[in-house]
Amino acid sequence: AQSVAQPEDQVNVAEGNPLTVKCTYSVSGNPYLFWYVQYPNRGLQFLLKYITGDNLVKGSYGFEAEFNKSQTSFHLKKPSALVSDSALYFCAVRDRIQAGTALIFGKGTTLSVSS
Amino acid sequence: DTGVSQDPRHKITKRGQNVTFRCDPISEHNRLYWYRQTLGQGPEFLTYFQNEAQLEKSRLLSDRFSAERPKGSFSTLEIQRTEQGDSAMYLCASSGQGVSYNEQFFGPGTRLTVL
Repeated sequence: AQSVAQPEDQVNVAEGNPLTVKCTYSVSGNPYLFWYVQYPNRGLQFLLKYITGDNLVKGSYGFEAEFNKSQTSFHLKKPSALVSDSALYFCAVRDRIQAGTALIFGKGTTLSVSS
Repeated sequence: DTGVSQDPRHKITKRGQNVTFRCDPISEHNRLYWYRQTLGQGPEFLTYFQNEAQLEKSRLLSDRFSAERPKGSFSTLEIQRTEQGDSAMYLCASSGQGVSYNEQFFGPGTRLTVL
C-alpha cells in the first residue's frame, strides 16, 4: 500500500535561516512525488513535483526538494526562510504505474517562520 | 484561467439532511478528483472522474455519498442523511492531459458542518 510520512507536526525556523520539511514515502513501484502548501482558508497550492530525471527539483517561491530513492525520502528545502512561508505543507505520492489515480497525502507539517 | 471553483464555500446542516456540493474544474482539464480533509489530517481521496466516467471510488465513499460529472465538465458531490462524522472540508481538484496530468490543481474547498 502507498503511504506518506511527515515525521514532524511542526517546524520552527528563524527568518533568513534554511528550512527543511521532511517526507518519506512507500510505494510498490516508482513514485511520482509532490509538495503542496495550504494557507488558512485557502485550497492547496502546488509547489513542486518529482517525476523523473534530476533528483533535485526546483519549484515555486524558491523551494526545492531532493528525491532520494535509497532513503525513500523527498525532503522540502529552502535556503532562506521568509515569514510569509509560514503555512501548512503536505507531501504527496502517487504510484507511477497506476495512471490517473489519487494522490496519497501525509498528515502535513506546520512551518512557522519567526521574524 | 480562473482555477478550480467550488460552491458553496461553507455549509451548515442538521444531522439527517442531504447536501450537495458543486465543483467547476479548470476548463480544459478532463480529470476531476474529490477529497475530504479533516482537522489535523491530509486530504483523503474519495473519487475520481475521467471525463464523465467515474473510474475510481475510495472505501471512504459510503453508500450515502454519490458523485456525478454528467457532461464531463462540472461535478457534484451529494451526501444523503448527513452524520456528524461527515463534518470536514471537501476539496475538488482537476488535472489535464499529457505531462501536465500529474499535477492536480485544487479548489478552495467546501467546509461542511453537521450539527
